[in-house]
Amino acid sequence: AQSVTQLDSHVSVSEGTPVLLRCNYSSSYSPSLFWYVQHPNKGLQLLLKYTSAATLVKGINGFEAEFKKSETSFHLTKPSAHMSDAAEYFCVVSRMDSNYQLIWGAGTKLIIKP
Amino acid sequence: DAGITQSPRHKVTETGTPVTLRCHQTENHRYMYWYRQDPGHGLRLIHYSYGVKDTDKGEVSDGYSVSRSKTEDFLLTLESATSSQTSVYFCAISESIRELNTEAFFGQGTRLTVV
Repeated sequence: AQSVTQLDSHVSVSEGTPVLLRCNYSSSYSPSLFWYVQHPNKGLQLLLKYTSAATLVKGINGFEAEFKKSETSFHLTKPSAHMSDAAEYFCVVSRMDSNYQLIWGAGTKLIIKP
Repeated sequence: DAGITQSPRHKVTETGTPVTLRCHQTENHRYMYWYRQDPGHGLRLIHYSYGVKDTDKGEVSDGYSVSRSKTEDFLLTLESATSSQTSVYFCAISESIRELNTEAFFGQGTRLTVV
C-alpha cells in the first residue's frame, strides 16, 4: 500500500537561505509524486510532479525536487527563500492499485523569517 | 485558474441538520472529487465521480453522500451533520484518472462549522 510521510510539520528559514522540505513515500509500484502548495486561506496549487521521466523535477517559483528511488524520497528544495514562499506544502503520491486516489502527506508549514 | 466554484464558501450549521455543498466546474473535466482538510491529516478523499451518475467512495465516506446529475456539478451532502464534520472541504477536478501524471485542480474551499 502507498503512504507518504512528511518528516517536518514546520520548517523555519531566513529569507535568502535554502529551503528543504522532506518527503518519504512507500509504494509497491513506481509512483507518480507531486508537491502542492497552499497559501493561507487559499486553494491548492501544483508546484511540480514526477512521472518517471527525469529524476530531477523543476517546478514553479524556483522549486525543484529530486526523486531518489533507493531512499524512497522526494524532497523539495529551493536555493533562496522568499517571503512569498510562506505557505503549507503537501507531498502527494498517486495510487495505482485502485481506480484513483491521491495519498496526501500531512503537510509542512514553511515559515520565512525576515 | 481552472474554473471551479465552490458554494457556499463558509457555513455554520447545527448538529443533526443536513448540509449540501456544491462544486461547479466550467472545464468539462470528467473526474471530480471531494476532500476534507483537517490539521495534521493533509487532504482525505471523501467521494469521487468518474462521470455523470458514476460515483465511488473514498477514504472517509461515512456520513457523506454525493450526486452528479450533470458533468459540471458535483454535490456533497452531509446527511446529519456532526461536530466531527467541522472541516474545510475542497472540490477538485481532473481530466483523467488512469494517467499517472494527472494534475488535479482545486476549488477555493468551503469552511464548514457544525455547532
